[in-house]
Amino acid sequence: EPEVTQTPSHQVTQMGQEVILRCVPISNHLYFYWYRQILGQKVEFLVSFYNNEISEKSEIFDDQFSVERPDGSNFTLKIRSTKLEDSAMYFCASSPHNTGELFFGEGSRLTVL
Amino acid sequence: GENVEQHPSTLSVQEGDSAVIKCTYSDSASNYFPWYKQELGKRPQLIIDIRSNVGEKKDQRIAVTLNKTAKHFSLHITETQPEDSAVYFCAASQNSGYSTLTFGKGTMLLVSP
Repeated sequence: EPEVTQTPSHQVTQMGQEVILRCVPISNHLYFYWYRQILGQKVEFLVSFYNNEISEKSEIFDDQFSVERPDGSNFTLKIRSTKLEDSAMYFCASSPHNTGELFFGEGSRLTVL
Repeated sequence: GENVEQHPSTLSVQEGDSAVIKCTYSDSASNYFPWYKQELGKRPQLIIDIRSNVGEKKDQRIAVTLNKTAKHFSLHITETQPEDSAVYFCAASQNSGYSTLTFGKGTMLLVSP
């Protein structure tokens, strides 16, 4: 069964450093999402992406965040200058359409020191 | 925006008992209500969902009910088993355009043998 894959599984970085989290959505899916989950808390929406542009973003997704689909298969989340409060599990998700199930990746755990 | 409240935050049951988790939502335009199960350190996985044109849906030991008037929906698990132990998240979305899921805070279900 096809799955969303994410790399790295865990990244430790120093505050102020740039981080890029990578995702490979399921191949025939058209809608892509990033969510994050701070330890012990709920899953929070960051951004959705369709047709090579951001379709919706939350208040969390400020100027420090950006997303890109550089090559038609990867979907990346960049954090330009990480803060301590960016420490979380970041989940990528994809969907074949905008009316149903999201398929989540295993997540990338980001630890900012 | 949408706000989803979920109760209880933890639920302990004996194997074989039933478990009920309840959620309320605020946006009357929401019309898609999925439930995700997240085992420790794993990705959230869809277990059941319901759309606003039905009041109840069942899949083996799992059922979901929706009351649109009261804006609440519930997950029912019968004959619980230890492998049902996980965190369960409810979510809501408008499911139109580029709608996104708003999650509840999660319920940790512990099923004791």
